[in-house]
Amino acid sequence: SQKIEQNSEALNIQEGKTATLTCNYTNYSPAYLQWYRQDPGRGPVFLLLIRENEKEKRKERLKVTFDTTLKQSLFHITASQPADSATYLCALSASGGSYIPTFGRGTSLIVHP
Amino acid sequence: SAVISQKPSRDICQRGTSLTIQCQVDSQVTMMFWYRQQPGQSLTLIATANQGSEATYESGFVIDKFPISRPNLTFSTLTVSNMSPEDSSIYLCSDRLANEQFFGPGTRLTVL
Repeated sequence: SQKIEQNSEALNIQEGKTATLTCNYTNYSPAYLQWYRQDPGRGPVFLLLIRENEKEKRKERLKVTFDTTLKQSLFHITASQPADSATYLCALSASGGSYIPTFGRGTSLIVHP
Repeated sequence: SAVISQKPSRDICQRGTSLTIQCQVDSQVTMMFWYRQQPGQSLTLIATANQGSEATYESGFVIDKFPISRPNLTFSTLTVSNMSPEDSSIYLCSDRLANEQFFGPGTRLTVL
């Protein structure tokens, strides 16, 4: 069956460091992969999309890598700030279908001042 | 991107009752989506709602339990019927622009 796996344990880091979150998947042929941010009591907010033929995508302090051989995406936040504390969700859209994303459970990031 | 609002933001309901959640989008959208997010779980798609046609339900979700209306291109409702405590969850309305999914703030439902 198709699976998207994200670390269930919260990631705690110090302000200014780089946070790295991992998303692994199995039994998918993804057309693209997305990362979302979700704050408590709010709906997820889209951050970045990376396509299957792209290796890396950047947006300001965010960087996403996509390795379809390893079936893994890494999400980096450089120079992290306490305001970056949130849950980050990985989502995959499979090729050949409706492209509606399937979400992982998310990883909580806590940035300490 | 469209701005999505939902009503109510939260509710506490008794077992066996039904609750209708409203979703309003500030621009016309073809497809609207309803998701459920149970505590500690991932977002799970309940159904896709197109205007003028019946909603398409995902595996494990049925129309009798989660009837959906889509009367126009800016509005949809999701009803959670004959509720049980297992229905306690956050329900999220969503639309899509290009390849980005946009979400409402969610409705937090607690069933006693």
